[in-house]
Amino acid sequence: EPEVTQTPSHQVTQMGQEVILRCVPISNHLYFYWYRQILGQKVEFLVSFYNNEISEKSEIFDDQFSVERPDGSNFTLKIRSTKLEDSAMYFCASTTNTDTQYFGPGTRLTVL
Amino acid sequence: QKEVEQDPGPLSVPEGAIVSLNCTYSNSAFQYFMWYRQYSRKGPELLMYTYSSGNKEDGRFTAQVDKSSKYISLFIRDSQPSDSATYLCAMSALLTGGGNKLTFGTGTQLKVEL
Repeated sequence: EPEVTQTPSHQVTQMGQEVILRCVPISNHLYFYWYRQILGQKVEFLVSFYNNEISEKSEIFDDQFSVERPDGSNFTLKIRSTKLEDSAMYFCASTTNTDTQYFGPGTRLTVL
Repeated sequence: QKEVEQDPGPLSVPEGAIVSLNCTYSNSAFQYFMWYRQYSRKGPELLMYTYSSGNKEDGRFTAQVDKSSKYISLFIRDSQPSDSATYLCAMSALLTGGGNKLTFGTGTQLKVEL
């Protein structure tokens, strides 16, 4: 069964450094998303991406964040200058339509 | 008022029990209603989704939606220790630019004991 994959599974970085989190969505999917989950808190929407552009972003998704689909398979989330409060699990999701979403296993980001 | 409210538990039941998990919501724009299962430090795994009010059954799982009361439920019959996980409700609203946005509950932690 096809699934969303994410790399790395765990990323440790120093405050102020740039990180890129990578996702490979399910191949025939058209809509792509990033969510995050701070430890012990709920899963929160960050951004949606459709037709090669952002269709919506949350208040969390400020100028330090960007997304890109550089080729036909990868979908990346970049954080330009990481802060301590960016430490969280980051989940990529994708779907063919607008009813539900399929999530990857997540990347645990630790900012020191 | 929070958009989605979910009792965080923890909920502990004996093996074989019927489990009832519930969420309420306030946003009438939500169109699809989902239940995800999440194990510790893993991604949410889709269990069931539904659009209309009523019941939808899949094996031991039944999802129930009452749009008039803005209330959804997940029932697990004959619960097993392997059902021990955090259960997340999620509601979907369409985005004008394309796609949809999920709003999650806080999750209910379930433990099924032998």
